[in-house]
Amino acid sequence: EAQVTQNPRYLITVTGKKLTVTCSQNMNHEYMSWYRQDPGLGLRQIYYSMNVEVTDKGDVPEGYKVSRKEKRNFPLILESPSPNQTSLYFCASSSRLGTGNQPQHFGDGTRLSIL
Amino acid sequence: GNSVTQMEGPVTLSEEAFLTINCTYTATGYPSLFWYVQYPGEGLQLLLKATKADDKGSNKGFEATYRKETTSFHLEKGSVQVSDSAVYFCALSRFSGNTGKLIFGQGTTLQVKP
Repeated sequence: EAQVTQNPRYLITVTGKKLTVTCSQNMNHEYMSWYRQDPGLGLRQIYYSMNVEVTDKGDVPEGYKVSRKEKRNFPLILESPSPNQTSLYFCASSSRLGTGNQPQHFGDGTRLSIL
Repeated sequence: GNSVTQMEGPVTLSEEAFLTINCTYTATGYPSLFWYVQYPGEGLQLLLKATKADDKGSNKGFEATYRKETTSFHLEKGSVQVSDSAVYFCALSRFSGNTGKLIFGQGTTLQVKP
């Protein structure tokens, strides 16, 4: 089954304690992205990757890091989490084919609470 | 810059009522347009898409037509069901710099009552 898998689904942690949210896709997609969802703001892109070892900032990258060492994995790293990073996070992937009209496939989300 | 504006929710309807959720966009060139649906506790799922002007996307009884003259992509369904209760997101994809990035509206919550 084609899917994007995120872990953990829920996490409550404290300010400053480094954490990593993993994302893995089994569709051999080139593109992967991280979004955060906040009430009234929709989803905003944090970082994206066009392929292995190629990553770049999205609209709200401050306080986040990513890496793309393998095509299937795209972890999101919060080196020193702060309360304003409390949010619902989604990983997504899509095929590189075409010119932006390929749908993105989303994981089920990770709800982070930073106290 | 590129942006998407959706009607504010929540939208509350009775079962079998007609649904319209308005979506307008601002973009240069010819973006692709999407509707995604998010059921409670789940990720976003693609509902339908349209890639060029006058295209009509349809799925599960939902429809939306890409109107370039009014820069709109309104979502419609003739008869909603309780199971349609979810958050609906309008989005555009403008292939700029090879990102294929999606730009989302703020989402519209639909609640359908029996």
